[in-house]
Amino acid sequence: AQSVSQHNHHVILSEAASLELGCNYSYGGTVNLFWYVQYPGQHLQLLLKYFSGDPLVKGIKGFEAEFIKSKFSFNLRKPSVQWSDTAEYFCAVNDRGGADGLTFGKGTHLIIQP
Amino acid sequence: SAVISQKPSRDICQRGTSLTIQCQVDSQVTMMFWYRQQPGQSLTLIATANQGSEATYESGFVIDKFPISRPNLTFSTLTVSNMSPEDSSIYLCSVEARRQPGDEQFFGPGTRLTVL
Repeated sequence: AQSVSQHNHHVILSEAASLELGCNYSYGGTVNLFWYVQYPGQHLQLLLKYFSGDPLVKGIKGFEAEFIKSKFSFNLRKPSVQWSDTAEYFCAVNDRGGADGLTFGKGTHLIIQP
Repeated sequence: SAVISQKPSRDICQRGTSLTIQCQVDSQVTMMFWYRQQPGQSLTLIATANQGSEATYESGFVIDKFPISRPNLTFSTLTVSNMSPEDSSIYLCSVEARRQPGDEQFFGPGTRLTVL
């Protein structure tokens, strides 16, 4: 069975600070990796994903993530956060075949202070 | 992308009753899923809604409690049966368009259920 661990449940940063949110997964096979974001009052939406190729992937709004296979990690980064990045961030994984539902981490509640 | 709507958006129900949640997609999709997000928790997959056949349930979820229908490629329902306060959650529908490696899932707005 798959599992996803997000290390930080609550993060508070000031604007312009750099961000890194940790995500580790446990699964014996090949996986697709995702970061989803839920802004206050909005749907879950995709930030970025990795399924093959360059392990450094870029997503929307200046976010990026690096897949490190040896560490089973897929950490999310942003060099300079904005107040509008305040949201809940979820790391998720499914089997590479892509026909499976997602296994989610517990989420990180990020608050950016102006 | 896919645009997903859910009905109702929220409801307050009495213990022992049942509620059916509808999920409508604006285009035909291969895969449809139902998730639950309990208060302060992450999302947990309930089941995969299979078109024309019985849903595939995850461990801990059973058909008698969460019957699911998927009559076509754009619509599915989830029923929460014989509800108790522990069923109070947000229930989300998601879809995957093509069933290709790396395809993302698109999520609906969710149905916020409170059971008294």
